[in-house]
Amino acid sequence: EVQLVQSGAEVKKPGESLKISCKGFGYSFSTYWMAWVRQVPGKGLEWMGIIYPGDSDTRYSPSLQGQVTISVDKSISTAYLQWSSLRASDTAIYYCARPRGDGSGSMSFYFDYWGQGTLVTVSS
Amino acid sequence: NYVLTQPHSVSGFPGETVTISCTRSSGSITGNYVQWYRQRPGSPPTSVIYEDDRRPSGVPDRFSASIDSSSNSASLTISGLKTEDEADYYCQSDDSTNLWVFGGGTKLTVL
Repeated sequence: EVQLVQSGAEVKKPGESLKISCKGFGYSFSTYWMAWVRQVPGKGLEWMGIIYPGDSDTRYSPSLQGQVTISVDKSISTAYLQWSSLRASDTAIYYCARPRGDGSGSMSFYFDYWGQGTLVTVSS
Repeated sequence: NYVLTQPHSVSGFPGETVTISCTRSSGSITGNYVQWYRQRPGSPPTSVIYEDDRRPSGVPDRFSASIDSSSNSASLTISGLKTEDEADYYCQSDDSTNLWVFGGGTKLTVL
């Protein structure tokens, strides 16, 4: 059974750094892309970026480029989303989501599996 | 770049049929597949429709979807409405720049 298990909720102060994780189970982690999606509480979904664990090829949403870093450690089937300096506006739920693929590195624009979400709260 | 516009809310009584629209602002709605996700409070989104009109395994056939090129929109129809259908629904498509494009979401209330 495919599962995406994310790290727990975080409370941080503005200016602090943070790295959250998403661990994949039940499939060949290296051969499926992994995306991050943001949801400000009470608001809609926003795609942030995507990474291919096989070679760490990464693409970012133009609106978020430079604000976050997406990385992966394929040896432990884990993708990461990190900030070097958090802002109050980063307060949101962050989901990892797997685009459907066939295990060859190809990708469709349909998320067939989602993590449970990580709530990040940034407040002084 | 384009925007997907959904109504903020729709409602219906149990047993009724409701339809949620998703209108693409530019470019053809038929140019890229449309997906629909349901999100219950406190839970991640789950797919109810992918590739315009296909249902994932486990999604009942009360859920259907269509594409209308004349209005440049996609629609999600839920028939035989149940209280458990109450949730937020998001349409999603793709774009060469932004890759994933989500609609703003529609809150479905079962009266």
